[in-house]
Amino acid sequence: DIQMTQSPSSLSASVGDRVTITCRASQGISNNLGWYQQKPGKAPKRLIYAASSLQSGVPSRFSGSGSGTEFTLTISSLQPEDFATYYCLQHNSCPYTFGQGTKLEIK
Amino acid sequence: EVQLLESGGGLVQPGGSLRLSCAASGFTLSTYPMSWVRQAPGKGLEWVSLISDSGDSTCYADSVKGRFTISRDNSKNTLYLQMTSLRVEDTAVYYCARRAWLEYWGQGTLVTVSS
Repeated sequence: DIQMTQSPSSLSASVGDRVTITCRASQGISNNLGWYQQKPGKAPKRLIYAASSLQSGVPSRFSGSGSGTEFTLTISSLQPEDFATYYCLQHNSCPYTFGQGTKLEIK
Repeated sequence: EVQLLESGGGLVQPGGSLRLSCAASGFTLSTYPMSWVRQAPGKGLEWVSLISDSGDSTCYADSVKGRFTISRDNSKNTLYLQMTSLRVEDTAVYYCARRAWLEYWGQGTLVTVSS
């Protein structure tokens, strides 16, 4: 099974900061990776698909990059509504696997 | 508008069974693979299972293999997850989602396994 290592597990940042979250796959997954945002008590929401494509309706301050084994999610200028938990998911080979999550908190 | 509505959650004793349903609307279920994902209280997301659009191919997480069965009734636009031999560690909110890459999610249904 493919393991996804996500870092950091938590992050404190301020409004306006640029932040980067990383996911590393234990083997190559091409670009079969998505990023998801989850707020407390809510279902997750997809932000990025195919590693770097922005989901319709998601603000352009979110971006994704990477291919193979290393991937990043970047938020260029944090807004108050971005404080949430973020997950990556590899859907290259079954069983699919999530990263452990990154909780983004207000500094 | 794509909507997914899970139901069937509740309290069950260890060793018991439960069947979850996911009613799809706003799209034709038969043309999409579908997934189940769960989240234990205070924990991260865990991918559970995937079924192909026709239903002839399935895949499971190691933690549920042999105990859970994913299925679908395309005529009813409904996805299912039959859960047997339930364990305390299966306690979670269960979400259904469209496709392997989880483009749309339901709001989830809570399953509690406890004596």
